[in-house]
Amino acid sequence: DVKVTQSSRYLVKRTGEKVFLECVQDMDHENMFWYRQDPGLGLRLIYFSYDVKMKEKGDIPEGYSVSREKKERFSLILESASTNQTSMYLCASRSTDSNQPQHFGDGTRLSIL
Amino acid sequence: DAKTTQPNSMESNEEEPVHLPCNHSTISGTDYIHWYRQLPSQGPEYVIHGLTSNVNNRMASLAIAEDRKSSTLILHRATLRDAAVYYCILRDDTSGTYKYIFGTGTRLKVLA
Repeated sequence: DVKVTQSSRYLVKRTGEKVFLECVQDMDHENMFWYRQDPGLGLRLIYFSYDVKMKEKGDIPEGYSVSREKKERFSLILESASTNQTSMYLCASRSTDSNQPQHFGDGTRLSIL
Repeated sequence: DAKTTQPNSMESNEEEPVHLPCNHSTISGTDYIHWYRQLPSQGPEYVIHGLTSNVNNRMASLAIAEDRKSSTLILHRATLRDAAVYYCILRDDTSGTYKYIFGTGTRLKVLA
């Protein structure tokens, strides 16, 4: 089975801090994604990457950046955390085969104080 | 992006079949219909997907209307572990964006 692992289940940070969320997948998938999930808003795509060192903005990239130096690892960076970035963050990966589903990690619940 | 409409919540008795509906009247010819579910404190989990024909797997069945404007996820015998939020999603890979649009889903409650 595909395994997508997010480094932390819960994280508490302070306003203005630089925050790193890490995601690792073990299936050699080319595509990786970062979403945030908020009550009433569903999942919204922040950034995605279709290859090493490649990235594309999703629907809500403001305040975030990403890094993909290795195929298995995709990092989400909050450059200067703000309280409105308190949310559940979900990482996902998928192969380039369009008939295959996306696989999600269990999420990181991030609180910015 | 094409959108989906689902009821906010549904209830089912344990061991009974559950039919979860989804409307997607603006679906295009290339949109796959995907279903995911999210258990409490977990990330979304893939359930099933299809394009035109009905599909079966070990978790569920997917019935797709002939005009493709609606679909139904069928859980044949609901268990307490099936209590989750179920998302019906359209995915169009021809745009090259490889993204899903998640709605707010249907919260399924299973009664013992």
